[in-house]
Amino acid sequence: RKEVEQDPGPFNVPEGATVAFNCTYSNSASQSFFWYRQDCRKEPKLLMSVYSSGNEDGRFTAQLNRASQYISLLIRDSKLSDSATYLCVPDSGAGSYQLTFGKGTKLSVIP
Amino acid sequence: DAEITQSPRHKITETGRQVTLACHQTWNHNNMFWYRQDLGHGLRLIHYSYGVQDTNKGEVSDGYSVSRSNTEDLPLTLESAASSQTSVYFCASSKGGSSYNEQFFGPGTRLTVL
Repeated sequence: RKEVEQDPGPFNVPEGATVAFNCTYSNSASQSFFWYRQDCRKEPKLLMSVYSSGNEDGRFTAQLNRASQYISLLIRDSKLSDSATYLCVPDSGAGSYQLTFGKGTKLSVIP
Repeated sequence: DAEITQSPRHKITETGRQVTLACHQTWNHNNMFWYRQDLGHGLRLIHYSYGVQDTNKGEVSDGYSVSRSNTEDLPLTLESAASSQTSVYFCASSKGGSSYNEQFFGPGTRLTVL
């Protein structure tokens, strides 16, 4: 089983749509979770941190289900500027500062 | 503003040459990391450091080395560049401590080995 599994997409959605990305992780010892966005040929940028069951920041909502080892990211009212690749990133286990990066899900928001 | 920088941003070199990529952060973060990113792969960890004089190997460390002589810098050296090391290299840092694992990335270095 891969450490982090994400649907690679691409997800092509119209402006204003709601889109959800799913991610499963294999390390049951992971404690903290992150969503990063990465624009083409640029560095990953932190979008959200998830330490408990979920987090919400404006149009973005992340939910964590530790029992199922599943994380989701919901984007409401999609903007053209949301077009990017979204990386699901759990830490590598209790006491570890390392992160395990998924390959990402590509989102294209269409006018 | 505090930041993390990488230099050079682009580098072309020849097989067999030694190459050093610089990474500098002004956040006073304890932890620093080097990754490479290639098509079809996620970010893969090359080396990391949890403090001055501390260095550790990641999953793809062969052919690379790092040194940490101060808090701000973690240079990555390719001892004898190979074509397989053509990639985009990202440096990252994180605060460390009990619960701060967020990593912040530099802009990347595009390395081509001919």
